[in-house]
Amino acid sequence: GQQLNQSPQSMFIQEGEDVSMNCTSSSIFNTWLWYKQEPGEGPVLLIALYKAGELTSNGRLTAQSGITRKDSFLNISASIPSDVGIYFCAGREETSGSRLTFGEGTQLTVNP
Amino acid sequence: GAGVSQSPRYKVAKRGRDVALRCDSISGHVTLYWYRQTLGQGSEVLTYSQSDAQRDKSGRPSGRFSAERPERSVSTLKIQRTEQGDSAVYLCASSRKRGTGGGYTFGSGTRLTVV
Repeated sequence: GQQLNQSPQSMFIQEGEDVSMNCTSSSIFNTWLWYKQEPGEGPVLLIALYKAGELTSNGRLTAQSGITRKDSFLNISASIPSDVGIYFCAGREETSGSRLTFGEGTQLTVNP
Repeated sequence: GAGVSQSPRYKVAKRGRDVALRCDSISGHVTLYWYRQTLGQGSEVLTYSQSDAQRDKSGRPSGRFSAERPERSVSTLKIQRTEQGDSAVYLCASSRKRGTGGGYTFGSGTRLTVV
């Protein structure tokens, strides 16, 4: 099936640093979603992008979908220890109904 | 509560046995998905259903995986003849909107270990 390539796989940063992660696909996704998952919990939606080139912010989080709809990035500014978790990108193809395809996840560790 | 709840949180099953995992979604939500999440990999769809469908529509045809939806806000994922490769976290997600990819609410998952 369709896959999303997410990178980096893991990141170790100092508190206060900015973080960037991205996802790419060979197919077009008309919806891009970014989720955060903490240990023992399910993914929680952070940002949803529904248009090509859309840029959306949620507090210290900023996400954008590419013009071609084949990629998306998530930025976290001024990271804090509670940002620790696994961040997943997810996409929905026009032809797949409401089914989501997930990236492999980026494990973020923030050192105080 | 207002969220999606899954039970049990942890399940250990002997290889070859059948297991059933429960999901209580949010009242009024139409679409319900079951995903399997494996360490180091993304989540894959197992099955999904619309509340007005009499039968589940499997997103990933498999003879061993099936889902029942006895009530609109309840779904049971059944795995027959479990294999060690079935060890994973099983996530349930629901949405009030029909046919949309955003706005899903996930449960905390059931961690299944097949021994």
